[in-house]
Amino acid sequence: EAQVTQNPRYLITVTGKKLTVTCSQNMNHEYMSWYRQDPGLGLRQIYYSMNVEVTDKGDVPEGYKVSRKEKRNFPLILESPSPNQTSLYFCASSLSGFGVNEQFFGPGTRLTVL
Amino acid sequence: ELKVEQNPLFLSMQEGKNYTIYCNYSTTSDRLYWYRQDPGKSLESLFVLLSNGAVKQEGRLMASLDTKARLSTLHITAAVHDLSATYFCAVDRITQGGSEKLVFGKGTKLTVNP
Repeated sequence: EAQVTQNPRYLITVTGKKLTVTCSQNMNHEYMSWYRQDPGLGLRQIYYSMNVEVTDKGDVPEGYKVSRKEKRNFPLILESPSPNQTSLYFCASSLSGFGVNEQFFGPGTRLTVL
Repeated sequence: ELKVEQNPLFLSMQEGKNYTIYCNYSTTSDRLYWYRQDPGKSLESLFVLLSNGAVKQEGRLMASLDTKARLSTLHITAAVHDLSATYFCAVDRITQGGSEKLVFGKGTKLTVNP
């Protein structure tokens, strides 16, 4: 089944404790992206990747890192999480970053930083 | 900077009634996407609108795009309870590097009452 998976789905952590949220897709998509969703703000893009080893900042990149060593995986790293990073995070992928491409979303990761 | 505005943000309607959700955006774009999100779930793609005058229909939902007015509408016909969800529009933005990024509206939370 074609899908985008994220792990963990739920995470409660404390300020400053490094964490990684994994994202994987099995559709051979070139483009992958991370969003955060906050009440009243909609979805905002954190980082995106056009292909392996090619990443760029989205609209709210501060406090996050990403890497794209393999085409299928695009982990989101919070080196020193803070309470303002408490949010619902979505990973998405699409065939390409150019042209018309519908994005497919993962199930989401609800992160709470205490 | 591309801004995407949806209205209304909250919509409560009775079953059997019709209504329209509006999505305005601030800069030129030829591609607009509509997504649905059920509570606690991920985003599901509804429509991809690719050109001026594009109209797509699926069941009781119909979406249209007017690129000259920078406006898309999502029309609901004879609403049923199953349509209760949050609906997002998203517009493509071309970055300086030539890649495309989605900018989302804040979403319209639709509640259909019996």
